Amino acid sequence: KNEVEQSPQNLTAQEGEFITINCSYSVGISALHWLQQHPGGGIVSLFMLSSGKKKHGRLIATINIQEKHSSLHITASHPRDSAVYICAVPPIQGAQKLVFGQGTRLTINP
Amino acid sequence: DTAVSQTPKYLVTQMGNDKSIKCEQNLGHDTMYWYKQDSKKFLKIMFSYNNKELIINETVPNRFSPKSPDKAHLNLHINSLELGDSAVYFCASSQGLAGGPGELFFGEGSRLTVL
Repeated sequence: KNEVEQSPQNLTAQEGEFITINCSYSVGISALHWLQQHPGGGIVSLFMLSSGKKKHGRLIATINIQEKHSSLHITASHPRDSAVYICAVPPIQGAQKLVFGQGTRLTINP
Repeated sequence: DTAVSQTPKYLVTQMGNDKSIKCEQNLGHDTMYWYKQDSKKFLKIMFSYNNKELIINETVPNRFSPKSPDKAHLNLHINSLELGDSAVYFCASSQGLAGGPGELFFGEGSRLTVL
C-alpha cells in the first residue's frame, strides 16, 4: 500500500521567498497530484504529473519517478499563497482513488 | 457555472438523526467520490462511483449509504449519526484514466457537526 509523506508539515516564510514542499511515496505510480486547500476550506487541483516538470504561473511541480519523489516550488511567494498543500497518489497502479499526504501548511507573511 | 456543487454547506444535527448530502457535477466526468476530512485535516476516500456503479467502498460503517442516480449525481445518506461523524465531507469528480484518477475537481465541502 502506498504511503505518502510530505515535508515540512509547517512552513512560514516572508513574502518573496522561494518555497519548496516535498513529497515522497513508496509504490510505483502513474501520476501524482498536487492540491491546494485554501484557508476557507475549498480544495483545488494544482497539478497532475507523471514525469518531468510542469509550470503554472509561479508554481512549478517536479517529479522523479525513479526516486519516488516530487517537489512543489513557489517562486516570489505572496501572502495569498498561504494555504495547505497536499500531494496524493493512487495506492497502487490503476486504482481509481488517491491516498493523501498529511499536507504542508504554508504561511507567507507580508 | 459551478463544476462540482454540493449541498448543504453546513449541517448541524443531533446524535441519532439521519441526514443527506447531495452532489452534482456538470463536467461530464465518469467517476465521482466522497472524501472525509477529519479534525486533523486528513483527507480519506470513502466511496467512488464510476458511471453509477460503486467501485470503491472503503471500510466505512454501513450507516453511510451512497447513491448515484446518474453519473452526474452522487448523494450521501448517513443514518443514526454519531459524534465521530463530525467532519467535512467533500464530493469530487474526475475522468478515470488507466493508471488512476484524472485531475480531481472538488465541491466546496459540507461541514457536518453532530451534537
